[in-house]
Amino acid sequence: NAGVTQTPKFRVLKTGQSMTLLCAQDMNHEYMYWYRQDPGMGLRLIHYSVGEGTTAKGEVPDGYNVSRLKKQNFLLGLESAAPSQTSVYFCASRRPGRFRGYTFGSGTRLTVV
Amino acid sequence: AQTVTQSQPEMSVQEAETVTLSCTYDTSESDYYLFWYKQPPSRQMILVIRQEAYKQQNATENRFSVNFQKAAKSFSLKISDSQLGDAAMYFCAYRPTQGGSEKLVFGKGTKLTVNP
Repeated sequence: NAGVTQTPKFRVLKTGQSMTLLCAQDMNHEYMYWYRQDPGMGLRLIHYSVGEGTTAKGEVPDGYNVSRLKKQNFLLGLESAAPSQTSVYFCASRRPGRFRGYTFGSGTRLTVV
Repeated sequence: AQTVTQSQPEMSVQEAETVTLSCTYDTSESDYYLFWYKQPPSRQMILVIRQEAYKQQNATENRFSVNFQKAAKSFSLKISDSQLGDAAMYFCAYRPTQGGSEKLVFGKGTKLTVNP
């Protein structure tokens, strides 16, 4: 049981380049999330999905897009990367109903130069 | 706005000793969840302990326990018999039960060092 898997684990982008971060979960969770973690800032919610085919904005959505075409996958896209998007990105998932906490992936460290 | 404050950016403890990490939060909600997450150098976020606000009994998980003071909006984590593997960043987090918000509000973290 792999849980939540994020690919890639590390990436360096040039300003203006685009990329997609992939999150895959094998726990049949309905809800999936993308957070970013910056030094001294804790984790902040970018986008989330409450089911296949649905997405919603979180706290810091600007500059990112997401898609949830399959229940097990949640993609985070950067159309035109900026240095301000240098961060560690975490995917998380959970079952619906009473909140018992997330299962997190191991993160993707993205550097935009 | 709901906020979570961890006033100790860094803490240290001797192996086998006890340490308490502080967390306070601000909310007008009466029902909510509180969490402590551990993030070791591997970066993986691991759920340590969970507390539901309507439960007066403090949650306990093996060597980890909380002191939940609802009126004071305080949620501290006590680690007993500290082990080298406890060294990590610890994040306190809050989520209301109602309101439809899917956001988990995190504090900025406390870095715990365990000295042999």
